[in-house]
Amino acid sequence: NAGVTQTPKFQVLKTGQSMTLQCAQDMNHNSMYWYRQDPGMGLRLIYYSASEGTTDKGEVPNGYNVSRLNKREFSLRLESAAPSQTSVYFCASRDQDSSPLHFGNGTRLTVT
Amino acid sequence: AQKITQTQPGMFVQEKEAVTLDCTYDTSDPSYGLFWYKQPSSGEMIFLIYQGSYDQQNATEGRYSLNFQKARKSANLVISASQLGDSAMYFCAMRERTMDSSYKLIFGSGTRLLVRP
Repeated sequence: NAGVTQTPKFQVLKTGQSMTLQCAQDMNHNSMYWYRQDPGMGLRLIYYSASEGTTDKGEVPNGYNVSRLNKREFSLRLESAAPSQTSVYFCASRDQDSSPLHFGNGTRLTVT
Repeated sequence: AQKITQTQPGMFVQEKEAVTLDCTYDTSDPSYGLFWYKQPSSGEMIFLIYQGSYDQQNATEGRYSLNFQKARKSANLVISASQLGDSAMYFCAMRERTMDSSYKLIFGSGTRLLVRP
């Protein structure tokens, strides 16, 4: 069982560059999420998708866009990377209300 | 505003002893849920235990139990018989209902637990 797969695992960008973080889940979950984790802080929600075809902003959406390509895939795009976006990014998915989020292993992004 | 608070940035515990990690929450949603996750130094997020607001019994999963005090809005994680492998960051999270009847998890800032041999 692959669960939630994120690519790449590591990435270094220069300020102003763009990139897309990929996420795919094979558990047939409806809802998917993108979080970022900064040192000394918990995870903060960037965007989420309650179901295929819908996306909504979380706590910290500025500077990001998302695409729910199909039920399996939910990508996160940085159009013009900034040093403040240096973080570890986690993708997650879930099944039902009482079910926990299943997390990918994270992408460590550094913007110089 | 709904929020979740972990007041202990770091804690030590002696191997084989029990430890309690604190979590308090604030919500107006009567149907909420509370989760605990473990994040070892390798970075992955591992689900530990869940407590629903309507659950009558405190949740237990092996060595993990949740001391759920609804009136005090606290959901503390108790780890019994600590092991060296329990050294990790622990996050409390609360389910928050969204406008489209889905939900999102709001996380606390975490507690770093170090188990001493």
